[in-house]
Amino acid sequence: SAVISQKPSRDICQRGTSLTIQCQVDSQVTMMFWYRQQPGQSLTLIATANQGSEATYESGFVIDKFPISRPNLTFSTLTVSNMSPEDSSIYLCSVGPGGTLRTEAFFGQGTRLTVV
Amino acid sequence: AQSVTQLDSHVSVSEGTPVLLRCNYSSSYSPSLFWYVQHPNKGLQLLLKYTSAATLVKGINGFEAEFKKSETSFHLTKPSAHMSDAAEYFCVVSGRLFGNEKLTFGTGTRLTIIP
Repeated sequence: SAVISQKPSRDICQRGTSLTIQCQVDSQVTMMFWYRQQPGQSLTLIATANQGSEATYESGFVIDKFPISRPNLTFSTLTVSNMSPEDSSIYLCSVGPGGTLRTEAFFGQGTRLTVV
Repeated sequence: AQSVTQLDSHVSVSEGTPVLLRCNYSSSYSPSLFWYVQHPNKGLQLLLKYTSAATLVKGINGFEAEFKKSETSFHLTKPSAHMSDAAEYFCVVSGRLFGNEKLTFGTGTRLTIIP
């Protein structure tokens, strides 16, 4: 299994500012994933963060808006830059299934972001 | 490539009656499939998972799902609904990415339980 600590749990931010979300895993993992859940919607994958290389972004998401760091095998950050009210969402980090030791995904509790 | 379709955005059932939440998937590989539940203002909780073992999978809280390859379906069922089952349910398929597996979420089904 994996225990993921994500912070902050929620924040209210002014438009035009940036917020960095941190995600700590209790074990070493190759890949970490960042998702966005807009109000009343499902989860959409933003990017895959692989230690030692640049993150891979899904269609519709760009590095300038959502820069990601992955300095080691247990930690990652997602920054939401130059925020607008449309960025108000829940952001979740995750470690996915991988190999025989972890057959399911684990999620952080999420960061509820409100942009005013 | 992979995708998942949840056929109903909203399901309402009376307490004590059966629940059926429908899910169809598409995957280029032998998929792993999951059902997650999300209660209001809560995190995601895994209900059950299929990872190429038994096709009938039993999960928590009396839920189960059957993997049917011929129909590319993974429907979630429960014999008798309880008020506490009211939540959003997500069907999820995983696909292989460099030996790790990234998830694709369905759009979700909101389950309402009528007293």
